[in-house]
Amino acid sequence: ILNVEQSPQSLHVQEGDSTNFTCSFPSSNFYALHWYRWETAKSPEALFVMTLNGDEKKKGRISATLNTKEGYSYLYIKGSQPEDSATYLCAFRDNYGQNFVFGPGTRLSVLP
Amino acid sequence: NAGVMQNPRHLVRRRGQEARLRCSPMKGHSHVYWYRQLPEEGLKFMVYLQKENIIDESGMPKERFSAEFPKEGPSILRIQQVVRGDSAAYFCASSPPTSGRREQYFGPGTRLTVT
Repeated sequence: ILNVEQSPQSLHVQEGDSTNFTCSFPSSNFYALHWYRWETAKSPEALFVMTLNGDEKKKGRISATLNTKEGYSYLYIKGSQPEDSATYLCAFRDNYGQNFVFGPGTRLSVLP
Repeated sequence: NAGVMQNPRHLVRRRGQEARLRCSPMKGHSHVYWYRQLPEEGLKFMVYLQKENIIDESGMPKERFSAEFPKEGPSILRIQQVVRGDSAAYFCASSPPTSGRREQYFGPGTRLTVT
């Protein structure tokens, strides 16, 4: 059974603060890690697909790093804005079934 | 260019009835995935289909659930004899033929409530 964990479960920050959260996944048979941003009542939106150890991806104020050897990825948000409030999901894919196994998400609330 | 469409958006069924959820992929997409989000849980993969083929159904419950993606028309997720535990949000995603699971675009979801 593939176990993907995310921490913290929820996070409240003030507007302008920078923040980060973690996705932990199995370190063996790694194929790819996906990050999604999921606003309430909307569809999950793809942020990043990361495949190589040491990968760093950036999209505006959001960036992510990947460590496949130890099985974790960090998502960073610089200068949080209220519109960043959402649940951030990571999803792990392995070499075998290539199924997406999603973590439970980190629910971010940015207070104005 | 319309995105992934799902209907209905909300569906209420009594225990024992059948639920049919529809997913129309984005234009040009031939791969469809179904996910279920149970209350207070993340998304869980259910099934991966291409036109007229089930590629991976490892996440589908063994009984009462089935999925199809016919040559013409939307993909259908069918739940027979629904029970309260089936109440969840069901999302579908689609991807173009060249990307496979790598590039998935999600629909807005169908929220199923079983009373």
